[in-house]
Amino acid sequence: DTGVSQDPRHKITKRGQNVTFRCDPISEHNRLYWYRQTLGQGPEFLTYFQNEAQLEKSRLLSDRFSAERPKGSFSTLEIQRTEQGDSAMYLCASSLAFGSNSYEQYFGPGTRLTVT
Amino acid sequence: DQQVKQNSPSLSVQEGRISILNCDYTNSMFDYFLWYKKYPAEGPTFLISISSIKDKNEDGRFTVFLNKSAKHLSLHIVPSQPGDSAVYFCAAGFTGNQFYFGTGTSLTVIP
Repeated sequence: DTGVSQDPRHKITKRGQNVTFRCDPISEHNRLYWYRQTLGQGPEFLTYFQNEAQLEKSRLLSDRFSAERPKGSFSTLEIQRTEQGDSAMYLCASSLAFGSNSYEQYFGPGTRLTVT
Repeated sequence: DQQVKQNSPSLSVQEGRISILNCDYTNSMFDYFLWYKKYPAEGPTFLISISSIKDKNEDGRFTVFLNKSAKHLSLHIVPSQPGDSAVYFCAAGFTGNQFYFGTGTSLTVIP
């Protein structure tokens, strides 16, 4: 397995544009998490899925943020009408849902978003 | 609200010595605690964990200590190596659910 992958690695967009990021988790992992990390801070939890079900989304930063995992495999995070404050690293992680190692989340390399 | 805090933004240690990274948390209900290591341009990598029913977990050069009464955990690296230079994040949360991360401590191991 090649680990968690994210695409694109970098995205520069103009304020007001929509952006979509993709995450491919480790194939046998049924949980998928999205985090945001800003400079000098740790990863900040946004949302997570178990298979295709989105189990927690109250921590998405605003209604401009949405995430999907339609077939329980890859996931997308969309930000509509981007603002300069959305500039950050967006991290995806995956894990098993059950078992002794279910707490262990494997992170992708992240997508760095710059809003100009 | 910052539920997990790492009060030392940076730490420098001589190669071969012990590195001690500290972390404090506020929620006494957290049942799992993790340490992650992050190199530039990479995502965080899981390092070591401890459940709330234990006070110590060891894996090679890495040992995590948990003091529940003080809501404090620490990561000890012995002996420190230059390759250990990275940003270390502690995280706390509930098994199978979201974890809260600290702001990170940048460790530099000086050869």
